Amino acid sequence: ETGVTQTPRHLVMGMTNKKSLKCEQHLGHNAMYWYKQSAKKPLELMFVYSLEERVENNSVPSRFSPECPNSSHLFLHLHTLQPEDSALYLCASSPAGTSAADTQYFGPGTRLTVL
Amino acid sequence: GQNIDQPTEMTATEGAIVQINCTYQTSGFNGLFWYQQHAGEAPTFLSYNVLDGLEEKGRFSSFLSRSKGYSYLLLKELQMKDSASYLCAVNSGAGSYQLTFGKGTKLSVIP
Repeated sequence: ETGVTQTPRHLVMGMTNKKSLKCEQHLGHNAMYWYKQSAKKPLELMFVYSLEERVENNSVPSRFSPECPNSSHLFLHLHTLQPEDSALYLCASSPAGTSAADTQYFGPGTRLTVL
Repeated sequence: GQNIDQPTEMTATEGAIVQINCTYQTSGFNGLFWYQQHAGEAPTFLSYNVLDGLEEKGRFSSFLSRSKGYSYLLLKELQMKDSASYLCAVNSGAGSYQLTFGKGTKLSVIP
C-alpha cells in the first residue's frame, strides 16, 4: 500500500539540529494528520489539517511546527528536540475530516531518535 | 477525559479463534475503529462500528455494545501473519479528528 508515503523512514538527530519530516498522500484526501507513537503509549494526535487549514493542535510543544502547503503534502519541522521526543511519527490522511466515519489511512512512519 | 482499555498482550495458536476486547469511557461516541499494525509498519484499517451488533468481514468480525462501552475484535482461523498489534480507537466527536486510541493489544500467533 503506497497511498501515504513518509520520508525519511529513520532519522537520528541531535538536540540542536533542525530537520523536517515529509508526508505525501496519493489518495485525493482533504484531511491530513500527524500522530506520535511512543512505546507502551497510545497513538497521540498532534495536528490535523483540513483543506490546508489547521483545525486541531493538541497542546504540542512549539519545537514541533507543522506545515501543509497543499492537500497532498504535510511537513513536520523539528528544532531543539529533547530525547523524550524520540518516537515513531505517523502521518495519516482521510477523505474529508468532517465525518466521524471518516477512515484514516496511515503512512509507514518516521522512526525518530533524538540524541 | 477519554479512556480506552485493551489487554496488553495475547497469545493464540495457529488455526484457533481469538477475541480481543476493548472497553471505553469517552465524553461522546460516534463510532469505534479497529486497526492492525505489524511491527515497524503503518496501522491499517480493519473495521468501523457505530451501531450495536456484529460486523463480519471475512475471518475478522467486530462487535459493539454502546450501552456497555464495549467492543471486541474476533479473529478466526488464525494465521501466523495475524501476529500484530490491534488498536482500538473511539471517535468521541463529530469530526474525524476526535479519535482516541487505546494502547493496542500485541497478538502473538504460535504454531
